[in-house]
Amino acid sequence: AQSVTQPDIHITVSEGASLELRCNYSYGATPYLFWYVQSPGQGLQLLLKYFSGDTLVQGIKGFEAEFKRSQSSFNLRKPSVHWSDAAEYFCAVGAFDSNYQLIWGAGTKLIIKP
Amino acid sequence: NAGVTQTPKFQVLKTGQSMTLQCAQDMNHEYMSWYRQDPGMGLRLIHYSVGAGITDQGEVPNGYNVSRSTTEDFPLRLLSAAPSQTSVYFCASRREGNTDTQYFGPGTRLTVL
Repeated sequence: AQSVTQPDIHITVSEGASLELRCNYSYGATPYLFWYVQSPGQGLQLLLKYFSGDTLVQGIKGFEAEFKRSQSSFNLRKPSVHWSDAAEYFCAVGAFDSNYQLIWGAGTKLIIKP
Repeated sequence: NAGVTQTPKFQVLKTGQSMTLQCAQDMNHEYMSWYRQDPGMGLRLIHYSVGAGITDQGEVPNGYNVSRSTTEDFPLRLLSAAPSQTSVYFCASRREGNTDTQYFGPGTRLTVL
């Protein structure tokens, strides 16, 4: 069955430090992969997406993610976090044998220490 | 463009009451969907629509009804509210393409007592 795992429920990082949020997926075909961010009390906003080609994808707000087929992973990174990055981050996989539904991870809450 | 709008932002219901959560988009998107978000569970798809007059069930459809009479609107009806339906509800829309970005509304926080 298709699934997405975000192993870390929450992560605490100091402002200015680097960040990596993990995402592992289980999907039979070549996946379409997404990262969304949800700021407190807000809806979700797309950070970046991967469909094909270069496995390193650049997104908004200085985020990037790398698709590693051998590890079934799509980890999100940022070299230096800002206090405004405090939010919840969701990884999703496109299940395109099921009318293009997205399968969502449970989310990782990012806490920024001053 | 207003994007995806949802009303109300907050709602408290008693068990057994019914209500409709409203969702509208002004981007002429074909595809619309309703999710519920519960702590530690990410987003779960309730119902979706691929165009006016066409709806289908998602992962957790029980207790909810939808209709799509226009491209713009996709209301979600709770038939007889239960405490298990306490959640945050998000409406989303996108163009038909399977690689297109989903745009989310701000959410409705529903509490069922």
